[in-house]
Amino acid sequence: QSALTQPRSVSGSPGQSVTISCTGTSSDVGGYNSVSWYQQYPGKAPKVMIYEVNKWPSGVPDRFSGSKSGNTASLTISGLQAEDEADYYCCSYAGSNTWVFGGGTKLTVL
Amino acid sequence: EVQLVESGGGLVQPGGSLRLSCAASGFTFSSYSMTWVRQAPGKGLEWVSIISPGGGTFYADSVKGRFTISRDSSKNTLYLQMSSLRADDTAAYYCAKKTPGVTEPFDYWGQGTLVTVSS
Repeated sequence: QSALTQPRSVSGSPGQSVTISCTGTSSDVGGYNSVSWYQQYPGKAPKVMIYEVNKWPSGVPDRFSGSKSGNTASLTISGLQAEDEADYYCCSYAGSNTWVFGGGTKLTVL
Repeated sequence: EVQLVESGGGLVQPGGSLRLSCAASGFTFSSYSMTWVRQAPGKGLEWVSIISPGGGTFYADSVKGRFTISRDSSKNTLYLQMSSLRADDTAAYYCAKKTPGVTEPFDYWGQGTLVTVSS
C-alpha cells in the first residue's frame, strides 16, 4: 500500500493549462479504471473533481479532465483560474477493498 | 442535503484509545459503504478503513489490528475505534460516503476531527 507518486507542486498563469501526473503500479492505477482526483483547499474537506479516470461529478467544470496511460494517470486543468489554486490528490482502488492516495500536488496560479 | 459530521477527536497519550463518530444525514445511510481517511498535519491524504452496507470491514496495513470501523444504522452513525495509538496516528480524520462500486469515488466528506497523540 505505497502512496501514489505525484509532483509536489505545479504552477501556471491564468488561462494556461497545467497537468498533474499520478504514478502507481499495475496493482492500482494500471489495474483498474478507478482513478479519482480530489481538490482540497487549506483547512477544508476534499472534493471529488474527476472519477473513473475521466468522468465529471455534477457541478464540476469541464475545464478539469482526466486520463490514464498504463500506470500513470493525469489531471489536466485548462483555462486556469485563480480559484483553482489548491492541493490536488489522486486516488486509486488497489484491490481487496483497499484504496491508495497520492502524496498530493500544490497548484499555484501565478 | 448530504451531511457528515465527525466528532470525538482530541488529545490522547501514546498507547491510549479513542472512538471517533460520524453522524450522517441526507441519504439512506444503511445503503452505502462508508470510509475513514486521515491527513497528518501538513501531509497528504491516507485511506484508513471502509465498511460495507452489510458490515464487511477492510483496513490499511498501517492500522490493521489497532483500529476497528463499525456502523449503527439505527443511529445513522459511523465509528472508528482506535487503540494502541502512536504519534504517527496524529491527523485530521475525515469520514466519507462511498458511491457504490469499487471504481466510484468518495463523493461526500465531513469536515474532519483532529486527533493528537502526544504525552
